[in-house]
Amino acid sequence: QKEVEQNSGPLSVPEGAIASLNCTYSDRVSQSFFWYRQYSGKSPELIMSIYSNGDKEDGRFTAQLNKASQYVSLLIRDSQPSDSATYLCAVNGNAGNMLTFGGGTRLMVKP
Amino acid sequence: DAGVIQSPRHEVTEMGQEVTLRCKPISGHDYLFWYRQTMMRGLELLIYFNNNVPIDDSGMPEDRFSAKMPNASFSTLKIQPSEPRDSAVYFCASSNSGLGMETQYFGPGTRLLVL
Repeated sequence: QKEVEQNSGPLSVPEGAIASLNCTYSDRVSQSFFWYRQYSGKSPELIMSIYSNGDKEDGRFTAQLNKASQYVSLLIRDSQPSDSATYLCAVNGNAGNMLTFGGGTRLMVKP
Repeated sequence: DAGVIQSPRHEVTEMGQEVTLRCKPISGHDYLFWYRQTMMRGLELLIYFNNNVPIDDSGMPEDRFSAKMPNASFSTLKIQPSEPRDSAVYFCASSNSGLGMETQYFGPGTRLLVL
């Protein structure tokens, strides 16, 4: 079983809709959670971090964390074609500063 | 700030040749990470350094891979001899323990093709 699981997609949503990306993790002691966006042919770029249960909002992005259920999600409101990318979930456990990445979910926002 | 700098951006080599990838972290960052990304395996951590000292190299696939960080502004990842299965995008990332060590900033990557 992979430590961080994501549906590979593609997840296709129409422009203006809400895109919901999900991630589950296996290490219960994980403390920090991150969402990276990676455009095709580019490097991962940090867009959100979340450390405590609940929601964290930043513009059109909302990260949600539920440690009891071991899942973290990313909501993108008013999706735009420019949001089309692969979204990587990353988790930091108790192993120093190492991040474990999920396989990523490819999001396609259609005009 | 120039961000994390990697060179070369693209490398094509033949099986058996030595490959050296280079990375300059963001100035002031004390953590440096080397990752490999493939379609099959996703993004994998190979090794990371703290204050130029290797902390965890459990992700290094085999003895053909080695990494060094002789000073705070330079690191290399070497593959010798290279094999076709080493073809991947290799990313270097850095972070600052004072600002949140898990926030990693990635370089543009080196696309390696071993023929």
